Amino acid sequence: SQQGEEDPQALSIQEGENATMNCSYKTSINNLQWYRQNSGRGLVHLILIRSNEREKHSGRLRVTLDTSKKSSSLLITASRAADTASYFCATDAKGANSKLTFGKGITLSVRP
Amino acid sequence: GAVVSQHPSWVICKSGTSVKIECRSLDFQATTMFWYRQFPKQSLMLMATSNEGSKATYEQGVEKDKFLINHASLTLSTLTVTSAHPEDSSFYICSARRARVGNQPQHFGDGTRLSIL
Repeated sequence: SQQGEEDPQALSIQEGENATMNCSYKTSINNLQWYRQNSGRGLVHLILIRSNEREKHSGRLRVTLDTSKKSSSLLITASRAADTASYFCATDAKGANSKLTFGKGITLSVRP
Repeated sequence: GAVVSQHPSWVICKSGTSVKIECRSLDFQATTMFWYRQFPKQSLMLMATSNEGSKATYEQGVEKDKFLINHASLTLSTLTVTSAHPEDSSFYICSARRARVGNQPQHFGDGTRLSIL
């Protein structure tokens, strides 16, 4: 079943702007992960944030996690046209034997 | 590191044909591999979890006799769609997770687009 729910479902921004995507989930987690998927391709892992972490950075990516609100956000700064893709959050729920549950995804379009 | 190769990337075949898809972890050992199905503009749906040396665990509603999974080694899992029909047409993606290491991401193959005529 879908646990992660991202919003917005679609986001269109101008190159250079920041993109913020949100994810909410329902159960207790070991970690939350963000992935990117280019059209017709597999998923690329972006960031994993553990349940005891609140913020994590990787290059132009910043992920936050609020376990009290069961939510996470992914911020892409200084976006580029190459960032155009679908972005998914996925939760590794406690007791789920490392199975990931994916949200519906966010389609990000970065206009050059 | 952490490269997963999935083959073939595209299959077109007639109804009734069985199709095998391979998923290999190229530079790490994966005790667990996962098989997903994705419909256009939708999220990934987990079909089954493949454990090396043991039977796969299928998600509710997934027919194990229809989707045969074999995980014979720490680097290879295969999914066979038996007697495929047009409704089996979809994008199938595998992923692999490093052996016995907690809090690790899954590493995905590039997917296989299956079209049944």
